[in-house]
Amino acid sequence: SQTIHQWPATLVQPVGSPLSLECTVEGTSNPNLYWYRQAAGRGLQLLFYSVGIGQISSEVPQNLSASRPQDRQFILSSKKLLLSDSGFYLCAWSRGGQSDNSPLHFGNGTRLTVT
Amino acid sequence: SQQGEEDPQALSIQEGENATMNCSYKTSINNLQWYRQNSGRGLVHLILIRSNEREKHSGRLRVTLDTSKKSSSLLITASRAADTASYFCATGDSSYKLIFGSGTRLLVRP
Repeated sequence: SQTIHQWPATLVQPVGSPLSLECTVEGTSNPNLYWYRQAAGRGLQLLFYSVGIGQISSEVPQNLSASRPQDRQFILSSKKLLLSDSGFYLCAWSRGGQSDNSPLHFGNGTRLTVT
Repeated sequence: SQQGEEDPQALSIQEGENATMNCSYKTSINNLQWYRQNSGRGLVHLILIRSNEREKHSGRLRVTLDTSKKSSSLLITASRAADTASYFCATGDSSYKLIFGSGTRLLVRP
């Protein structure tokens, strides 16, 4: 069966510090991978998605970046965090090879607080 | 940007009652999906309905889709306290993107 791992679960970082959130998927190959951010009590904002190694699509211009160094690894990074980067970050995967929006499978999220 | 908007934003019902949540969207879609989120956790996929379908059932869930009105509804019958969660609709087009609405917070009182 497929599983998705996302870490860390919580993170408190000072303004201006770097960020690296990692997400890995097991039990499937060539998944579509996604990073979403959720503000408190709000919906999900799509940040990045990837349909293959090295292929990253950015949805929102900001100081975050994403990379996919391996087929089932997706990393969210920042060189310098802003207060507005605080939120709940969710990684998700869907079945690859098609663009008809297969259901997403989410990790348990990382709660980031920038102080 | 958000595509779907759920209504109501919050809903409180008694256990055993039915809960209905609505979702409206703006552009053409390929499919619409409903997800559930327990507090502080990731989302869990509930049901997917394609643009050429009008109604779909899964256990106590019933989803309808009206593409002419660009709206969908999620009905949870005979609700239980364990159904307490936030519910989100998400719309997909012919791309890889799935855009989520702002969610409905459901509270089922025992």
